[in-house]
Amino acid sequence: GQQVMQIPQYQHVQEGEDFTTYCNSSTTLSNIQWYKQRPGGHPVFLIQLVKSGEVKKQKRLTFQFGEAKKNSSLHITATQTTDVGTYFCAGPKSNYQLIWGAGTKLIIKP
Amino acid sequence: DARVTQTPRHKVTEMGQEVTMRCQPILGHNTVFWYRQTMMQGLELLAYFRNRAPLDDSGMPKDRFSAEMPDATLATLKIQPSEPRDSAVYFCASGWDLEQYFGPGTRLTVT
Repeated sequence: GQQVMQIPQYQHVQEGEDFTTYCNSSTTLSNIQWYKQRPGGHPVFLIQLVKSGEVKKQKRLTFQFGEAKKNSSLHITATQTTDVGTYFCAGPKSNYQLIWGAGTKLIIKP
Repeated sequence: DARVTQTPRHKVTEMGQEVTMRCQPILGHNTVFWYRQTMMQGLELLAYFRNRAPLDDSGMPKDRFSAEMPDATLATLKIQPSEPRDSAVYFCASGWDLEQYFGPGTRLTVT
């Protein structure tokens, strides 16, 4: 069946270092979404990518959608404590349902 | 700023008891989702509705879980009887065209 794999599961960084999470789908996706969940919070929609090869930026966050529309990445430049949380990718499973990656937890080393 | 609301935010109950969780989706959204999140399983889709009609509840244990949407402003998730393995955070989300907005969740503990 359709799968969305996300790596790594965890990433420990020093504050100020960069962070990247990767998302790979077993099937071509019409679009991909990214969500952030702070510790103790709920997933919050960040962005949706639709076009092949699309790159979008939100301040220090850069989102990419692969040319084949089967992979995506989220890169955070110069992490801050406010970036801590779990980042999820999700792609359409049907017209109304998403299939979710397992998430990448960003941990800032003390 | 429209938000999805969920009640209760926390629930502690003994096994065998009935638990009802409620969700008010964002007005105008046509899809409503119920998810369960645990450390071990991540985000699991339990059920979802479109225009109040149930589309898929294959993720729910049918013998004990039920989801309904009696009107456009209320979605409910019931567990009867509850078991310790049901302990988790239950999220409701509403949306339009796949973009989903999550509520704060109900943290359920079954002892």
